[in-house]
Amino acid sequence: AQSVTQPDIHITVSEGASLELRCNYSYGATPYLFWYVQSPGQGLQLLLKYFSGDTLVQGIKGFEAEFKRSQSSFNLRKPSVHWSDAAEYFCAVGYSGGYQKVTFGTGTKLQVIP
Amino acid sequence: DAGVIQSPRHEVTEMGQEVTLRCKPISGHNSLFWYRQTMMRGLELLIYFNNNVPIDDSGMPEDRFSAKMPNASFSTLKIQPSEPRDSAVYFCASSLAEQQYYEQYFGPGTRLTVT
Repeated sequence: AQSVTQPDIHITVSEGASLELRCNYSYGATPYLFWYVQSPGQGLQLLLKYFSGDTLVQGIKGFEAEFKRSQSSFNLRKPSVHWSDAAEYFCAVGYSGGYQKVTFGTGTKLQVIP
Repeated sequence: DAGVIQSPRHEVTEMGQEVTLRCKPISGHNSLFWYRQTMMRGLELLIYFNNNVPIDDSGMPEDRFSAKMPNASFSTLKIQPSEPRDSAVYFCASSLAEQQYYEQYFGPGTRLTVT
């Protein structure tokens, strides 16, 4: 079965600084990978997704993620963080034939300080 | 286009009472998911449906939990009887079963408090 690990429970960055959130997955074949964001009191919103092709994918709100098969990773990055980016971020993995079922990681809470 | 609609947004009930959470997926979507989110356990998949048929209910914690999807535009998650440990935020999500189309759209959630 597939699994997702987000090793950082909580990250604090200064506004304007760069950001990288880590995600590692476990699955034998090529996975479908996602990053979602959850603002306080809200549901999850899709930031970006990877299915195939270019391993660097662009998402909404200036986020990007890079799929590295050799490292089983799909890290999320943003060059300059804004205060409004403070939220919880979830990495998720799916697979072909899984009836769109995805497995979510435990999430990383991002705090942005002035 | 309306997103996933959940009702109620907040529910407070006493232990032992029946609770029914409702979800209307995005029109045209044919997969529906119920999740539970708590501080201790994070986001857990309870059950999901494809074309109104339950595909995997292995995440349903106990027989006290049941879910139905009588048609493509409506689903319910029922807890009977409710217990304080059921307090959580329950999310419904839907997606469209096209090739490689796995994006799930989440509703705003129902915050359940069982006293």
